[in-house]
Amino acid sequence: DAKTTQPPSMDCAEGRAANLPCNHSTISGNEYVYWYRQIHSQGPQYIIHGLKNNETNEMASLIITEDRKSSTLILPHATLRDTAVYYCIVRPPGAGSYQLTFGKGTKLSVIP
Amino acid sequence: GAVVSQHPSRVICKSGTSVKIECRSLDFQATTMFWYRQFPKQSLMLMATSNEGSKATYEQGVEKDKFLINHASLTLSTLTVTSAHPEDSSFYICSALAGQQTQYFGPGTRLLVL
Repeated sequence: DAKTTQPPSMDCAEGRAANLPCNHSTISGNEYVYWYRQIHSQGPQYIIHGLKNNETNEMASLIITEDRKSSTLILPHATLRDTAVYYCIVRPPGAGSYQLTFGKGTKLSVIP
Repeated sequence: GAVVSQHPSRVICKSGTSVKIECRSLDFQATTMFWYRQFPKQSLMLMATSNEGSKATYEQGVEKDKFLINHASLTLSTLTVTSAHPEDSSFYICSALAGQQTQYFGPGTRLLVL
């Protein structure tokens, strides 16, 4: 599976957009990019995933570069409740490839 | 979104006893569920993949006789930690695969073995 690289930590002012980068330069053409977050002492929460096109849902937007070697998760208006560790994970499609490998993620601190 | 529950949320047991943790997918069926373990200040580590009606697949280094997994229905998987010891104290998290694509996680079970 392709490896991902994320900054260990980031700060964001409350109400501002949080842009979390992820590098996945060895990604294959059919591998998906998934984002999860884990708030302290809770299970991970699914945020969004994409393959090639940019994606948006009620939680966030996912911007994938044209060469697919990097992506950015955008939380448009960060709140204190968005403070969490954010994981960017690359996963191939198809049966037998459902496993997720968690790295260290980015610890996002939203500051009042 | 898809909801996964775990029970209990927290358990304290004596060394040498067994503990069972339940993982349920509440609003969808899951033929595949996963069990993870997370030690303090570390990331999640996959322990095993549980498939309904068949034996679980364990990751390297995870003892199958110590961590018994049963996935008897499409909405329930259980993890039993047998003969628990203090080093088994950890945060155990399950997930369920929805639509053969996205994993949804439970809230986790914190196990403390005295």
